[in-house]
Amino acid sequence: GAGVSQSPSNKVTEKGKDVELRCDPISGHTALYWYRQSLGQGLEFLIYFQGNSAPDKSGLPSDRFSAERTGGSVSTLTIQRTQQEDSAVYFCASSRSGTGRTDEQYFGPGTRLTVT
Amino acid sequence: GQQLNQSPQSMFIQEGEDVSMNCTSSSIFNTWLWYKQDPGEGPVLLIALYKAGELTSNGRLTAQFGITRKDSFLNISASIPSDVGIYFCAGIRNSGYALNFGKGTSLLVTP
Repeated sequence: GAGVSQSPSNKVTEKGKDVELRCDPISGHTALYWYRQSLGQGLEFLIYFQGNSAPDKSGLPSDRFSAERTGGSVSTLTIQRTQQEDSAVYFCASSRSGTGRTDEQYFGPGTRLTVT
Repeated sequence: GQQLNQSPQSMFIQEGEDVSMNCTSSSIFNTWLWYKQDPGEGPVLLIALYKAGELTSNGRLTAQFGITRKDSFLNISASIPSDVGIYFCAGIRNSGYALNFGKGTSLLVTP
């Protein structure tokens, strides 16, 4: 079946502009996660959705970052007034339920964001 | 989030050799996972460990969940060129869901 998809695959933007990153999770997965990976680093947790609600936004680095999820499916991560330190690869993952230790997270291919 | 300490940072080996990498933390994790990431792709789960002391294999890969719950290792036996990639450890805290990742071990295998 189809995996997690993300768009765009690459985004170059000027400092100060807003960007939107999109994630289509695996059909039927209720939990959705956003992570980001800076160059040479591991992935860093940003936000978790259970259905349309986001019970954990603790990883969002600043109030310029926001995310929403509609219809329990597609999610959009928005970064306002982008800064150069926002440059990273942003990954989306989804899992069946978001509960239970064996609930495996499946990752998308990522969106590479470059802020110039 | 809690950053895991992963070593070595990189490995350059010959095909057929065995590989070992490990991950440590100052905090306890209740789940340890090992992922592989190929260039331009997202991480793919290799092995998941749910119980302290657990030793689990997946083909040529073997991983163990440390008794203290603060460490884990991954072994790859008889490496082949397609093992090339970046290997990440990740941990989940009690009743959590967010993955805490190490910085990765870059593996290069020469034929």
